[in-house]
Amino acid sequence: SQTIHQWPATLVQPVGSPLSLECTVEGTSNPNLYWYRQAAGRGLQLLFYSVGIGQISSEVPQNLSASRPQDRQFILSSKKLLLSDSGFYLCAWTTTPAAEAFFGQGTRLTVV
Amino acid sequence: GEDVEQSLFLSVREGDSSVINCTYTDSSSTYLYWYKQEPGAGLQLLTYIFSNMDMKQDQRLTVLLNKKDKHLSLRIADTQTGDSAIYFCADVSGNTPLVFGKGTRLSVIA
Repeated sequence: SQTIHQWPATLVQPVGSPLSLECTVEGTSNPNLYWYRQAAGRGLQLLFYSVGIGQISSEVPQNLSASRPQDRQFILSSKKLLLSDSGFYLCAWTTTPAAEAFFGQGTRLTVV
Repeated sequence: GEDVEQSLFLSVREGDSSVINCTYTDSSSTYLYWYKQEPGAGLQLLTYIFSNMDMKQDQRLTVLLNKKDKHLSLRIADTQTGDSAIYFCADVSGNTPLVFGKGTRLSVIA
């Protein structure tokens, strides 16, 4: 069966520090991968999605970047965190864009 | 761009029915989804409906789709305290990623 792992579960980082969140999927190949951010009262905002290795689409210009170094690995990064980067970050995968999305358990990031 | 709107809060008494509403703008939506998010967790698919259907029933859940008005609703019969969560409406068309609404926080009062 397929599983999705996302870590860490919680993170407190100072302003200006770098960020690296990792997501891996097991039990499937060539998944579509997504990073969402959930801020209070703002719902789920799609940040990046990838249909294959090295292919990244950015939905919102911001202080973040994403990479897909391997088929089932998706990384969210920042060189210098801002206070506004605080939120709940969710990784997800689908077999096709229209299919059911499976979500990781999320990372609660607090930038102080 | 595509937009999905939901009311932010709903409060119901245990045993009553809950109705969560959603409107969307994309006339070429192929699937419409309802996801449930429990506190501090990711989202899980609750149910979905194809755009050529008007209604889908799954145990306590009933999904109604009015394609003309681009209106989707989720009815939960006999709402229980365990149904307290945030419910997200989402739609998809073609090869574009899911577009989510802001989520409706359902509070069930015992």
